[in-house]
Amino acid sequence: GENVEQHPSTLSVQEGDSAVIKCTYSDSASNYFPWYKQELGKGPQLIIDIRSNVGEKKDQRIAVTLNKTAKHFSLHITETQPEDSAVYFCAATLTQGGSEKLVFGKGTKLTVNP
Amino acid sequence: DTEVTQTPKHLVMGMTNKKSLKCEQHMGHRAMYWYKQKAKKPPELMFVYSYEKLSINESVPSRFSPECPNSSLLNLHLHALQPEDSALYLCASSQLAGGPYEQYFGPGTRLTVT
Repeated sequence: GENVEQHPSTLSVQEGDSAVIKCTYSDSASNYFPWYKQELGKGPQLIIDIRSNVGEKKDQRIAVTLNKTAKHFSLHITETQPEDSAVYFCAATLTQGGSEKLVFGKGTKLTVNP
Repeated sequence: DTEVTQTPKHLVMGMTNKKSLKCEQHMGHRAMYWYKQKAKKPPELMFVYSYEKLSINESVPSRFSPECPNSSLLNLHLHALQPEDSALYLCASSQLAGGPYEQYFGPGTRLTVT
């Protein structure tokens, strides 16, 4: 089945610095790669996604890059702020038995220090 | 509006109780999902409904019984649960089932089985 590896598991940065989280996947048929932010006591919030026909996507301070050849994708957050502190999950689609589902990485706990 | 609502927020139940979790969306989405999330872990898919029909059951024990009464509502009926079933139960929806459609999560129901 699909395996999504996510690194690092924890990341601590100073306010204003950049943060990068990386994920790799194993299913070459994967075609959709969302990123979720989960704050304490809340459900995961979709913050950005990328599809397999695109190499990079940006939304203000957040960007995602995708390398289909190497099967890895990354989340980049620039000018980090304390409110960016949360757990971030990457995910990739897995096709199994004719159905598609999302498989999540194990998460990265990001702490932005003021 | 990308809101998915879930009730109740918290639930404590004994192992002999019967309870239900409810989920609602008014985005016109035709796919709805139940996920289970243990502490410090990613969401794990339990069930997928597509056009009100169960399309994926991830080998979930029968003490969890999903129901989709209409395209806006999703229930999860609980009976004879075990303490290890204590977790955050997340509902999500997407325009259609499958990979390239954004999934939006609700805030979850925090379940404690005593």
